[in-house]
Amino acid sequence: DTAVSQTPKYLVTQMGNDKSIKCEQNLGHDTMYWYKQDSKKFLKIMFSYNNKELIINETVPNRFSPKSPDKAHLNLHINSLELGDSAVYFCASSQLKAQYFGPGTRLLVL
Amino acid sequence: QKEVEQNSGPLSVPEGAIASLNCTYSDRGSQSFFWYRQYSGKSPELIMFIYSNGDKEDGRFTAQLNKASQYVSLLIRDSQPSDSATYLCAVSESGGGADGLTFGKGTHLIIQP
Repeated sequence: DTAVSQTPKYLVTQMGNDKSIKCEQNLGHDTMYWYKQDSKKFLKIMFSYNNKELIINETVPNRFSPKSPDKAHLNLHINSLELGDSAVYFCASSQLKAQYFGPGTRLLVL
Repeated sequence: QKEVEQNSGPLSVPEGAIASLNCTYSDRGSQSFFWYRQYSGKSPELIMFIYSNGDKEDGRFTAQLNKASQYVSLLIRDSQPSDSATYLCAVSESGGGADGLTFGKGTHLIIQP
């Protein structure tokens, strides 16, 4: 069974479109995260949710909106996609300290 | 601003030797330290975490932490070609809770057969 899963795995879209990425974890963890890994492979935190409550919202454009319907799911909706949004988006979950990452969603904005 | 510094490499090590990966961090209040391995096109995979000064061993891996010097290292003994990957150092402010990890840019390790 996959611990942290994401859909879709690949996403190719046009500038200006709106898209969503979904994440689910079956580890029973309380905290979930979204990270962005850019073309230079630099991994940076975007959001953190603990028990459906937003804890961290780093300096991310408000075109990005996370939603957590329950503590096992964390979705990321992106409005008005821009070329610079092209990256790999990783979901992660943790209980206490160590974070475990999903397989990533490779987003390409054309 | 919190920063985590790593030498980007590539670091080339012969098979069977010890690979030594280093990391420094800027936030003196950091409490938790992690090493992740990332193969090309894959997600980061947790190798080890360390919270206290000193060494922590797990199989062929040893993490070392020196909070006074703000320095973390990872030693890989008996290096194997399958250890070739990018190794990411990450730090967290808290000893628990929901804060995100601050990552370094990673060291690309190549194990030569």
